[in-house]
Amino acid sequence: KAGVTQTPRYLIKTRGQQVTLSCSPISGHRSVSWYQQTPGQGLQFLFEYFSETQRNKGNFPGRFSGRQFSNSRSEMNVSTLELGDSALYLCARSRQPQHFGDGTRLSIL
Amino acid sequence: GEDVEQSLFLSVREGDSSVINCTYTDSSSTYLYWYKQEPGAGLQLLTYIFSNMDMKQDQRLTVLLNKKDKHLSLRIADTQTGDSAIYFCAERRNQGGKLIFGQGTELSVKP
Repeated sequence: KAGVTQTPRYLIKTRGQQVTLSCSPISGHRSVSWYQQTPGQGLQFLFEYFSETQRNKGNFPGRFSGRQFSNSRSEMNVSTLELGDSALYLCARSRQPQHFGDGTRLSIL
Repeated sequence: GEDVEQSLFLSVREGDSSVINCTYTDSSSTYLYWYKQEPGAGLQLLTYIFSNMDMKQDQRLTVLLNKKDKHLSLRIADTQTGDSAIYFCAERRNQGGKLIFGQGTELSVKP
């Protein structure tokens, strides 16, 4: 949507597992940002990558990590999943104006 | 503080105008955004305004920016039932691409 593709759309995991989410901006966009959306905390910034380098990081524990590849695709990894990690994870291409993908809805059982 | 503030709910009649308000925190913010989120969906960019502007109009949408009071508003003219959604304002601070979001305003449009 608006040049950002996120996969998968839905994911169910159990506590203690780890998960990898993917985000692909359209060609030519070298920066991506990740956000977590929960009913309690709202939309919170996770991190931003530009040309394969993390440029900015939000206030999340080290279990949340990410990386970006040379083709600008980005992955986000969460290890040792907790129930509170259940959320909608959104990726945006960071060049202004910022457009978001449809998100990955992660449910932890 | 870091909070962007919005009222949580707004209810209007179909055909009326809706005005959603937002107070942001950083006077050096460069871009201010309005996003729409429908149930089960991601964020749809509605409109945005540069901090050196005080108004922007885009079809039924009008954005007003008062930098002195750090106040942003979104006016939707001739509100339709399809406009029912949650609306988020966000500010982009001078730190790369990071956006700070408000809590969202749930707009309910009654026929």
